[in-house]
This record gives sequence, C-alpha cells and structure tokens, in this order.
Amino acid sequence: QSLLTQPPSVSGAPGQGVTISCTGSSSNIGAGYNVHWYQQLPGTVPKLLIYDTQNRPSGVPDRFSGSKSGPSASLAITGLQAEDEADYYCQSYDTSLRGVVFGGGTKLTVL
Amino acid sequence: EVQLVQSGGGLAKPGRSLRLSCAASGFIVGDHGMSWVRQAPGKGLEWVGFIRSKAYGGTIENAASVKGRFTLSRDDSKGIAYLQMDNLKIEDTAVYFCARERTGYSSSGSDFWGQGALVTVSS
Repeated sequence: QSLLTQPPSVSGAPGQGVTISCTGSSSNIGAGYNVHWYQQLPGTVPKLLIYDTQNRPSGVPDRFSGSKSGPSASLAITGLQAEDEADYYCQSYDTSLRGVVFGGGTKLTVL
Repeated sequence: EVQLVQSGGGLAKPGRSLRLSCAASGFIVGDHGMSWVRQAPGKGLEWVGFIRSKAYGGTIENAASVKGRFTLSRDDSKGIAYLQMDNLKIEDTAVYFCARERTGYSSSGSDFWGQGALVTVSS
C-alpha cells in the first residue's frame, strides 16, 4: 500500500473537468516536499505532466494544473478530451523512507 | 534531442544477476540526476532508486525493496547510467525504466524516460 493515496479511478464526459487527489502525510507532502504528476497512456512510457506541485513542462496544455494543500495534492484536468484517457500518478519524496514514493495511480476514463 | 536508450534485461533465474544500461544523448549527462523506476505487469509505478549528479556528490538512494541487491552507477564520460541487479527475486519481474531528473539533485521530476526494459525472473 502506497504512502500516497489516489482514487483507483475517475471519469468524466468530454469537455467536463475532473480532479485527481493524492493524499500523503507529514513525512512527505505535508513536510513540504514537492509533488510531481505523470500521465501514462496505455502501452507507453510515463510522461511528466506537472513538476514542483504546479509547474507544467513545455508542451503540456494549460488544461492540466496542480495544487497542494497540507498533506494533499490535486491534479485538475479541464476540457476533457478522449486522448486524456490514461493512468495518472503522483510522486513525492518521503523523509521517513528516505526515498521517492509514487501514488497507486488513477485510471481516468473519458465517457 | 534528448534521448535515453536502454539495453539489457531479459530472463534470469532467481538468485542470478542482470545489468541494465541507459545511454543518454542530447544533453549534458553530468548535470542531471538519474532515476530508475519499475512497473510490474499490470501494476503501478515503483521507485527503485536514483543517483545524484557529481555536483551533488553523486550520492545514491535506493528503495528498501532492492537495498543491498541493486546498485546504481553512472559513467558521465560515456553518458551511461547502469542498474546492476544481483540476487534477483521473482518479485523483481517488471519493466524497468531509466529517467532523467530535471536537476542534478533528486526528486525534481523525471522529464525524459527510456523506452523500458523487461526483466523476467523465473525458474
């Protein structure tokens, strides 16, 4: 069981918005460590979507945004498109493990 | 163009060893930390370890599940990162990815990934 908890699945209709949560604790997100988000399309390599909690790498649409509050972080996706259907993972550093942790992943289904 | 090309992997019996390589090009390898992440069949991403750039001491941190068995290293002159996997266990079966960290430190976000290498541990 991961130290970062994500919902196993979320869904939304095209054009709508969804939010994926990532709940940590005082030894990771709550300790102030940055959160990164990855998108993994079926059968492909993970892609960095958000880094340092709220920053988008070049080429990532502004439909994707990240935020953090206390021990939790969120990834918001607006204007859902069919190509957004993928698995999404949050990542942070955990001081008790002295290492990186990933959330269990959330499967986004575009209805 | 930034590229990470992986080689190695394959089938190994429990207790045996394998080495993965990750050849980097298109950027100054020495400026970046390098991470290894694995994904068991049908499962999520699992961090294996990372090695910081020389500017940050080249220090290494490993996941508890591989500590004492897996060794990360890097040869910046060749632009290659390595993952030496010893005393392999069945539960190490996974696709292994190398990834470039955005900075030389650690956990700054992995912005480029190798294509992955399948490691199957079976008797």
